[in-house]
Amino acid sequence: GQQLNQSPQSMFIQEGEDVSMNCTSSSIFNTWLWYKQDPGEGPVLLIALYKAGELTSNGRLTAQFGITRKDSFLNISASIPSDVGIYFCAGQYSGAGSYQLTFGKGTKLSVIP
Amino acid sequence: DAGITQSPRHKVTETGTPVTLRCHQTENHRYMYWYRQDPGHGLRLIHYSYGVKDTDKGEVSDGYSVSRSKTEDFLLTLESATSSQTSVYFCAISESRAETQYFGPGTRLLVL
Repeated sequence: GQQLNQSPQSMFIQEGEDVSMNCTSSSIFNTWLWYKQDPGEGPVLLIALYKAGELTSNGRLTAQFGITRKDSFLNISASIPSDVGIYFCAGQYSGAGSYQLTFGKGTKLSVIP
Repeated sequence: DAGITQSPRHKVTETGTPVTLRCHQTENHRYMYWYRQDPGHGLRLIHYSYGVKDTDKGEVSDGYSVSRSKTEDFLLTLESATSSQTSVYFCAISESRAETQYFGPGTRLLVL
């Protein structure tokens, strides 16, 4: 099946620093999604990307759909303590009746005040 | 937040007992999903439903069954719970198979 490699697995950063994480796939996707999960909660959608090369922002978050359709990155600028959590990428290929969402294993972000 | 609730939120049970988890939505979305989340594996699809009484298997369906008798409710049943089914279970919904999925708050299940 499709596999997503998400990196880094975890990161510790100082408050105010910028953060970058990425996902790469062994196959192409039509859609890339980025979710954030707080402890004890379900994943919450941050950004959805639907077109190769697309660059989308949501406040301090920016995500891009790689031109090869096999990768995506998420940047967080000027991190704050509430950015702490686990960030998941997810890719979806919609074709031939298959729409399964494949998730990365997550990037655990810790922000040091 | 999408109107998704899961019950119970926490459950401890013993090996061999049946367990049913409930997902309830108020969004009238056609698609509903059950995932499990485990360290080192991320989120994996167990079963999904594309309408009332219409369900299909996901990546890790063995040992699980589902039912959907109403649009708003999707039940996940472990007929005979095993310790390997200790996990956090998430329900998700979407308007269509290709649309973005929104997740519920999760159920933490411990099988002793």
